[in-house]
Amino acid sequence: GNSVTQMEGPVTLSEEAFLTINCTYTATGYPSLFWYVQYPGEGLQLLLKATKADDKGSNKGFEATYRKETTSFHLEKGSVQVSDSAVYFCALRVQNTGNQFYFGTGTSLTVIP
Amino acid sequence: GAVVSQHPSRVICKSGTSVKIECRSLDFQATTMFWYRQFPKKSLMLMATSNEGSKATYEQGVEKDKFLINHASLTLSTLTVTSAHPEDSSFYICSARQDRYEQYFGPGTRLTVT
Repeated sequence: GNSVTQMEGPVTLSEEAFLTINCTYTATGYPSLFWYVQYPGEGLQLLLKATKADDKGSNKGFEATYRKETTSFHLEKGSVQVSDSAVYFCALRVQNTGNQFYFGTGTSLTVIP
Repeated sequence: GAVVSQHPSRVICKSGTSVKIECRSLDFQATTMFWYRQFPKKSLMLMATSNEGSKATYEQGVEKDKFLINHASLTLSTLTVTSAHPEDSSFYICSARQDRYEQYFGPGTRLTVT
């Protein structure tokens, strides 16, 4: 089946620290992979995506590379800021399921000054 | 990006009553809307998919008579939780999609059933 496994949080980092949030997936088809971010009191926002193997999605200093050989899509940022505090969701979408999204459990990140 | 709103953001209702949650696409026409439920420390679980003007398609295990979904226009979908019980307490999130474009998510509605 289709599923996403995401590292459990919460994660607390100091400002300017390096961030990695692990995400692995299983998929019956050929998925597109996404990272969504949810700031307090707001809806999920698309952070970045990758649609094929070896693609790298990037946005706001965050990066994730679609690794088909390891079925992973780990999120990284070299230097986090307090404003990055949010919940991050890894997700996949497989076309043959009507474009349905499958989400991970979310990882809460808190960045302290 | 496109904006999707939900109303109310929080609602408390008594057991046995019904509560309606609205999902609106504010600056685009949504041919398809999705309803998700998020349990604490769990991922978002898709409940149903609705296309404007047709009946919603429910995921396995979701009671369609309990969770009534109406997608009467291209900008509005409603989820009505009928005869709510404490176990229905959850965070409900909608998303909207225009044709084959990206899905845009609403901010969610926190339902508490007492």
